[in-house]
Amino acid sequence: DAGVIQSPRHEVTEMGQEVTLRCKPISGHNSLFWYRQTMMRGLELLIYFNNNVPIDDSGMPEDRFSAKMPNASFSTLKIQPSEPRDSAVYFCASSLRRRAGNTIYFGEGSWLTVV
Amino acid sequence: DAKTTQPPSMDCAEGRAANLPCNHSTISGNEYVYWYRQIHSQGPQYIIHGLKNNETNEMASLIITEDRKSSTLILPHATLRDTAVYYCIVRVEGGTASKLTFGTGTRLQVTL
Repeated sequence: DAGVIQSPRHEVTEMGQEVTLRCKPISGHNSLFWYRQTMMRGLELLIYFNNNVPIDDSGMPEDRFSAKMPNASFSTLKIQPSEPRDSAVYFCASSLRRRAGNTIYFGEGSWLTVV
Repeated sequence: DAKTTQPPSMDCAEGRAANLPCNHSTISGNEYVYWYRQIHSQGPQYIIHGLKNNETNEMASLIITEDRKSSTLILPHATLRDTAVYYCIVRVEGGTASKLTFGTGTRLQVTL
């Protein structure tokens, strides 16, 4: 099993530029999560999808952030325009949502630096 | 999801058992206890979870008190590679509330 695949692994961009982070969940999983991790705030849930439908986006910091899941095997998190305070590690995770015991598996993260 | 309380840091000698406590005194009857860990620069890794019975897998054991207000994660023979931040999380299963909410965790340092 390839696990959750994220790209790019590292990105450095200038303030004001658009950033697109990509995620391929584990095949067969029907829930997908985007998290952000910083030293100050720890791991925060940004948004999650069930069956490609956004369920809870209350963690999305502002309108500059958007996430899409056009199909079961692909999701994007976009930041436009990017700001230095968006510098963080962004994790994608997926799970197979069942009645009980749905373990969430994380990717290795995308390290974003906005200068 | 119920709030959890963990010590910020712990040390353990290599080869010894590491016992990581977690307090979740406001846990509800339908909330599971999950443990994840995060090794530096990696994504969080699932370890184990349980509802009310003790659980064991190839990585660890989970001991949940009878009143379910606290639990202990046991790494039976800690190695240097177990140095990580360990997160105790309680969450409702099923429905739409299937997200994980991370606290600050316990930073476990395994030493020679």
